[in-house]
Amino acid sequence: RKEVEQDPGPFNVPEGATVAFNCTYSNSASQSFFWYRQDCRKEPKLLMSVYSSGNEDGRFTAQLNRASQYISLLIRDSKLSDSATYLCAVKYGDDKIIFGKGTRLHILP
Amino acid sequence: GAGVSQTPSNKVTEKGKYVELRCDPISGHTALYWYRQSLGQGPEFLIYFQGTGAADDSGLPNDRFFAVRPEGSVSTLKIQRTERGDSAVYLCASSLSARNEQFFGPGTRLTVL
Repeated sequence: RKEVEQDPGPFNVPEGATVAFNCTYSNSASQSFFWYRQDCRKEPKLLMSVYSSGNEDGRFTAQLNRASQYISLLIRDSKLSDSATYLCAVKYGDDKIIFGKGTRLHILP
Repeated sequence: GAGVSQTPSNKVTEKGKYVELRCDPISGHTALYWYRQSLGQGPEFLIYFQGTGAADDSGLPNDRFFAVRPEGSVSTLKIQRTERGDSAVYLCASSLSARNEQFFGPGTRLTVL
């Protein structure tokens, strides 16, 4: 079983719709959780950290469920510019980040 | 300010050759990470430096891969006897300390023919 698993998609969503991604992780010792955004042929960029209480940044909401070991990302009122690959990531302590394969999102006009 | 830079941006080599990939982290960042990303995959951890020393090299796939960071700033990833399976984008990231956000460079796209 992969340490971090995501549905690769693609998700084809009309502009203005709400879309949600889930991600599961296998190591219960994971301590930090993130969503990264990666545009085609570009480097990953941190979208948001994910906290136990859930957190929101504008149209983006992230949730963590430690008991079920999954992380979610919700995008409301999606824009064409949201089209990208979204990478789920977990970190143990101060060390490396383990990434999922990413979920591709296409926002359709 | 300047972000993480990597050179070269593209490298094409022949099977069996030796390559060096360079990473210039953000000034003052003590932690430096190398990842490898193959097509359709997420970045895969290779090695992590804290200062000059490799704190975790558990991701290096075999002894053909080696990395150094002699002065605690610039790092070089070295690959000996390259194989076609080494073809990927090699990403470098740095952070102020290991607990802080990692900032990624644009990557070096390595193609082994």
